[in-house]
Amino acid sequence: ETGVTQSPTHLIKTRGQQVTLRCSSQSGHNTVSWYQQALGQGPQFIFQYYREEENGRGNFPPRFSGLQFPNYSSELNVNALELDDSALYLCASSLEGGGNTIYFGEGSWLTVV
Amino acid sequence: GENVEQHPSTLSVQEGDSAVIKCTYSDSASNYFPWYKQELGKRPQLIIDIRSNVGEKKDQRIAVTLNKTAKHFSLHITETQPEDSAVYFCAARHDKIIFGKGTRLHILP
Repeated sequence: ETGVTQSPTHLIKTRGQQVTLRCSSQSGHNTVSWYQQALGQGPQFIFQYYREEENGRGNFPPRFSGLQFPNYSSELNVNALELDDSALYLCASSLEGGGNTIYFGEGSWLTVV
Repeated sequence: GENVEQHPSTLSVQEGDSAVIKCTYSDSASNYFPWYKQELGKRPQLIIDIRSNVGEKKDQRIAVTLNKTAKHFSLHITETQPEDSAVYFCAARHDKIIFGKGTRLHILP
């Protein structure tokens, strides 16, 4: 196991609603990144947090936002849900720095109906 | 923007044969190249990684090679087994990690 835990594991939301996904990083890891993986696709980088600040963002609209807390856990918030937001959302933790291994959590399966 | 291209998208090999998956990356500052295996309904799991100061790394039946000049890296699986069937993703990291689109590997009996 990676020591990265995510909740909830599965959820169903209605279009237009808001969702919050949570992630606890591996002990000692100060960097958390979030990815969206649609069915049959590779993980797409949403954003990364280091020491409670966003320090990198992929091509996702502002309705995707996040937080990192002092204990390095993190939240991903998505507002005004769209059908295309249905995907597996993966959280990964690592030590800061490009050469460090990232470890994925089990993911949160979001279905928007 | 930063990009990682992965080929092939699907690969079928006879059990016992070798499989090779190739990736190219665009960001020359990338310095870390992990490979992940993802089984249906599960998270990606790291199987091997290589850093930019190394040209080749091997772990039992799995090996990865890196050519920084050409900006490409490859995964080699030898003596393939049925449990190797999965989707494999390459990735390249500088300040953020970018994934390829994946290769679905089928091991034929």
